[in-house]
Amino acid sequence: EVQLVESGGGLVQPGGSLRLSCAASGFTFSSYWMSWVRQAPGKGLEWVANIKQDGSEKYYVDSVKGRFTISRDNAKNSLYLQMNSLRAEDTAVYYCARGSGSYGYWGQGTLVTVSS
Amino acid sequence: EIVMTQSPATLSVSPGERATLSCRASQSVSSNLAWYQQKPGQAPRLLIYGASTRATGIPARFSGSGSGTEFTLTISSLQSEDFAVYYCQQYNNWPPEKTFGQGTKVEIK
Repeated sequence: EVQLVESGGGLVQPGGSLRLSCAASGFTFSSYWMSWVRQAPGKGLEWVANIKQDGSEKYYVDSVKGRFTISRDNAKNSLYLQMNSLRAEDTAVYYCARGSGSYGYWGQGTLVTVSS
Repeated sequence: EIVMTQSPATLSVSPGERATLSCRASQSVSSNLAWYQQKPGQAPRLLIYGASTRATGIPARFSGSGSGTEFTLTISSLQSEDFAVYYCQQYNNWPPEKTFGQGTKVEIK
């Protein structure tokens, strides 16, 4: 059974940093692109970033470029999102999802709240 | 960035009726279009990919059509469990951002 489990969310002050993790199981992690998608409270879905199987290609939505870094460790079957210089508008539930396009598998999400 | 626009924002439908949701892309995405259903407190669920292919386990009352810039999700006979928010998403190869529409809420009339 495919499982994606996010962790690392929490309350952080504006300008702070947070690192999200996504533990994958039930499939060959190293064979798939992986992605992060977020959803602000009461709002729609926003694609954030994705990363190729070997980490050689990474893409980001404009609003997080230069502040967020997506990475992966195929030996640990894990996906990461390093978030720096956090802003109030980054407050959201962050989901990891399998693939680079249509997402058949999602985690349960982890809430990031940016507030003083 | 490809902008996805969904309409209407809210659709009021009675159980058993047909629901038709629209999604328009600002430039052609070929058939690289997915539809998702999301209920409160849950992660999205993939319904349709490739514009018209139902994902595993999705009932036949859900169907997708379109290509290029105009897409439609049809729910042929709404069941109680279908009242939710629906999102379209393009996943064209380039540009690399995989943008979502703003969502259509299907509510009970």
